[in-house]
Amino acid sequence: DGGITQSPKYLFRKEGQNVTLSCEQNLNHDAMYWYRQDPGQGLRLIYYSQIVNDFQKGDIAEGYSVSREKKESFPLTVTSAQKNPTAFYLCASTEGGFEQFFGPGTRLTVL
Amino acid sequence: AQSVSQHNHHVILSEAASLELGCNYSYGGTVNLFWYVQYPGQHLQLLLKYFSGDPLVKGIKGFEAEFIKSKFSFNLRKPSVQWSDTAEYFCAVNTWNYGQNFVFGPGTRLSVLP
Repeated sequence: DGGITQSPKYLFRKEGQNVTLSCEQNLNHDAMYWYRQDPGQGLRLIYYSQIVNDFQKGDIAEGYSVSREKKESFPLTVTSAQKNPTAFYLCASTEGGFEQFFGPGTRLTVL
Repeated sequence: AQSVSQHNHHVILSEAASLELGCNYSYGGTVNLFWYVQYPGQHLQLLLKYFSGDPLVKGIKGFEAEFIKSKFSFNLRKPSVQWSDTAEYFCAVNTWNYGQNFVFGPGTRLSVLP
């Protein structure tokens, strides 16, 4: 089955720690995205990558970092500089901008 | 900057009632339009999409949406909702000058009472 996997499903972080969220896709899509979902705010774009070894900041990139070393993988690091990291994080991919496919999400809680 | 607005934050309906969720976007050029749904505990999934052609598009589970270019709107409709339609609904826009990026609305939570 083709799709997007995200891990872990739940993640707890202490203040001051960096954490990395995993996103893998086997859809052979070029473009991948990270969104943050907060109640009442919809999905806000953190970072996106249209091809391997290239990525761009989205609307709320501060305090986050990404890498795109392989086509199928687009990990997101939430750094200690992110002031309010508790949220639901969604990874997505697309080919040609025709439709986005989403992973199941990771819920990050800062303790 | 492009933006997408959705008219209602939370809609509560009884089963068999008709549904219309509003969506407006702020871009004057060619757009691709989408409605996504997020059922409780499930992935975001595509309900329907509009790229070109007939402005009335049909999606899964009896949903349809109408693109009205003059009003910059893409409202979602269903003639008769079911309890299983309880979910959060997101309108999204993609424009070619925005690359492969999508702008999402804030979402509308639909609660259907049995």
